[in-house]
Amino acid sequence: AAGVIQSPRHLIKEKRETATLKCYPIPRHDTVYWYQQGPGQDPQFLISFYEKMQSDKGSIPDRFSAQQFSDYHSELNMSSLELGDSALYFCASSPLGGRDTEAFFGQGTRLTVV
Amino acid sequence: EDQVTQSPEALRLQEGESSSLNCSYTVSGLRGLFWYRQDPGKGPEFLFTLYSAGEEKEKERLKATLTKKESFLHITAPKPEDSATYLCAVQASGNKLVFGAGTILRVKS
Repeated sequence: AAGVIQSPRHLIKEKRETATLKCYPIPRHDTVYWYQQGPGQDPQFLISFYEKMQSDKGSIPDRFSAQQFSDYHSELNMSSLELGDSALYFCASSPLGGRDTEAFFGQGTRLTVV
Repeated sequence: EDQVTQSPEALRLQEGESSSLNCSYTVSGLRGLFWYRQDPGKGPEFLFTLYSAGEEKEKERLKATLTKKESFLHITAPKPEDSATYLCAVQASGNKLVFGAGTILRVKS
């Protein structure tokens, strides 16, 4: 079965650079979530989209922005990168607006800021 | 504010030694409680969803139960391949998941 696809899998950037992470949800899933997981920590919710509109917002820095496109894929744009942004970034998708249903996670993008 | 607390933080078992992981939660209007398994450097893998107190679900050596205040993940006769971090998450207001810190399970043969 098709899963959530994230690219790239690994990314190394320097401080103050910009990074773009991509997420392709499971087909027919209309809701996409972004989570950040630091070393040894639990996933922290950043932002979500339903039908291409932002549906919820968590602890996402102002330096980050995201959007969902007409084909339902999503991109997380991160500017003025800081060392503390180094983490695993997960995308998850769910059907039916995410209401009362499980979210399926991708394998993540490991971002290292040096 | 929605909160999820998992215990223990880490658990070491011998192969075949059954045990339980705990997830206690404080939410306003629980819509679902989710269990995920996460291997190092990989994305959380969905295991179970529980919606109401008294509900139970099973999958191979795992069984999840739910009460009004907590959920348990029972592991029967674990094998080394069950070693992973087990994450509990709740869905309340909105659709986002609020995760606990996880329980790191190590099963030795």
